[in-house]
Amino acid sequence: AQSVAQPEDQVNVAEGNPLTVKCTYSVSGNPYLFWYVQYPNRGLQFLLKYITGDNLVKGSYGFEAEFNKSQTSFHLKKPSALVSDSALYFCAVRSLGRALTFGSGTRLQVQP
Amino acid sequence: DTGVSQDPRHKITKRGQNVTFRCDPISEHNRLYWYRQTLGQGPEFLTYFQNEAQLEKSRLLSDRFSAERPKGSFSTLEIQRTEQGDSAMYLCASSYLPKGLAGGPIPHEQYFGPGTRLTVT
Repeated sequence: AQSVAQPEDQVNVAEGNPLTVKCTYSVSGNPYLFWYVQYPNRGLQFLLKYITGDNLVKGSYGFEAEFNKSQTSFHLKKPSALVSDSALYFCAVRSLGRALTFGSGTRLQVQP
Repeated sequence: DTGVSQDPRHKITKRGQNVTFRCDPISEHNRLYWYRQTLGQGPEFLTYFQNEAQLEKSRLLSDRFSAERPKGSFSTLEIQRTEQGDSAMYLCASSYLPKGLAGGPIPHEQYFGPGTRLTVT
């Protein structure tokens, strides 16, 4: 069975500071990893994905994620946080099946 | 707006009633997924379609739940004899898999609709 863990319910960061949202995964076979963001009253929006290749993946809105196979992690990062980045972030994994398995989410609060 | 749309956005129903939700995917997308999200949790997979064929169902999808995608375009999710535990946000997502790559290993990102919030009283 595949699973995703987001160990932090909430991450607080000051505007302009770098941010990291953590994600670890467990799968059989090759992991396909995704990050989504959810704003209030809006659907999940795709940020980025790792399929194969470079361990550093760049996505939308200046976000990037680092795939680390030995640590089974896929942490989301941004060099300089914006207040508008405040939202709920979900890490997801897809392995043998077609559906995504999501983590429980991490709320990011960026303070001005 | 050419994104995934869902109708209704909110539904309040009494326990025991049947409800039906609709999802219209992005027009060229051949895969359609249903997920359920409860407060404080990530979405949980329910079922998915490739064109009109329902290819996978989660164990979460009890006999009271049924989904259809009759013409390979929009989909409906029906819940019969609703229970309070059915209260959740029901999310629809779609993705596109090019012809000839069916069953291929490369996953394409899923695009989500705004969801239908169901409250069972």
